[in-house]
Amino acid sequence: GAGVSQSPSNKVTEKGKDVELRCDPISGHTALYWYRQSLGQGLEFLIYFQGNSAPDKSGLPSDRFSAERTGGSVSTLTIQRTQQEDSAVYLCASSLVEYYGYTFGSGTRLTVV
Amino acid sequence: AQTVTQSQPEMSVQEAETVTLSCTYDTSESDYYLFWYKQPPSRQMILVIRQEAYKQQNATENRFSVNFQKAAKSFSLKISDSQLGDAAMYFCAYEVNSGYALNFGKGTSLLVTP
Repeated sequence: GAGVSQSPSNKVTEKGKDVELRCDPISGHTALYWYRQSLGQGLEFLIYFQGNSAPDKSGLPSDRFSAERTGGSVSTLTIQRTQQEDSAVYLCASSLVEYYGYTFGSGTRLTVV
Repeated sequence: AQTVTQSQPEMSVQEAETVTLSCTYDTSESDYYLFWYKQPPSRQMILVIRQEAYKQQNATENRFSVNFQKAAKSFSLKISDSQLGDAAMYFCAYEVNSGYALNFGKGTSLLVTP
């Protein structure tokens, strides 16, 4: 596609439920990133995928968070047993060449009630 | 710890005027890249300008320019001839050459008044 596509745009879920957030990066971009943006905070790095290499999961806040990237393209971020503190905007980005800036999607706003 | 500080939570500028957004950062690395991103209400982060730390010349993109002071670890953004469409959150960020994650500041909300 022409840009990074994220779905759903907004998600309201009950505490304790599992959610899946999807990211479809720009075709051909080998690097894919997930960030979390909480209210009043900057962006927090969550996970990084590069080609077929093992992902860097060092930013995932707990073992309730996991992510996968299938076929080097689409990525899914899964949050199990959601908590209210998980409420945030989850942003996905992709890039072809590192250090040249990423292309971001419009994010998924997750609200846990 | 590597941090980015944007000391101005909010700024206001009149249309056609010039505004400067401040950013300081702290890294022990010598080779890194600096960025300013704009986030309008649509939530999509848009790259405004990029600067390589090894370059002394300040980057410029049309009405946007930076003042990069490496020794002071300062990277301010100047917006000239401000337009209503410039209203957004602006985030300063850097990425070290030995890594790949962007380190972001908490942002400056820019209001543009007619």
